[in-house]
Amino acid sequence: DAKTTQPTSMDCAEGRAANLPCNHSTISGNEYVYWYRQIHSQGPQYIIHGLKNNETNEMASLIITEDRKSSTLILPHATLRDTAVYYCIVRVANSGNTPLVFGKGTRLSVIA
Amino acid sequence: DTGVSQNPRHKITKRGQNVTFRCDPISEHNRLYWYRQTLGQGPEFLTYFQNEAQLEKSRLLSDRFSAERPKGSFSTLEIQRTEQGDSAMYLCASSSGGTTYNEQFFGPGTRLTVL
Repeated sequence: DAKTTQPTSMDCAEGRAANLPCNHSTISGNEYVYWYRQIHSQGPQYIIHGLKNNETNEMASLIITEDRKSSTLILPHATLRDTAVYYCIVRVANSGNTPLVFGKGTRLSVIA
Repeated sequence: DTGVSQNPRHKITKRGQNVTFRCDPISEHNRLYWYRQTLGQGPEFLTYFQNEAQLEKSRLLSDRFSAERPKGSFSTLEIQRTEQGDSAMYLCASSSGGTTYNEQFFGPGTRLTVL
């Protein structure tokens, strides 16, 4: 799987949008971008994934650049409960359910 | 609660002892994964099962580690002759089968401390 690069940490004011970037410059055409997050003392939780079109669900939006070399996860109105480590993962589509390869992620701190 | 459960949540043991962890996946999920996570790092894959078959093992899974899923339901992870370097959070995840992506649901983990 392609590697990803994320900032080590970010801060965000409560109620504001949190924009978490991810670089995946070596992504292949058949690889998706996935986001998981891990709240302290819990297991990781799936957020969203996409191939090339922007995606939105009840948790977040995913914006993927046209060249697919980078993406941004957007939490539109961050709350204190969104404080967590966010992982950007790139993996091959139709790879079944092969294991996830996590990096170190971005530690997001939402500040009141 | 119908999520993934793991027991125990915490385990403290002395070096050289054997420990066993249990994971109960979401009902009817045929895929089950074990990951290990050390402080400040993301989870690292250890092994995974499809039903009762162990399909892949990471190089991290030394000979002292063994995992089973005897009836394709719950799974156990045993560490023999524990070492201080085995101290970590052990995470279990499950997913439904198929060739397209199905999200992995993680349990709360078992935190192992080897003294």
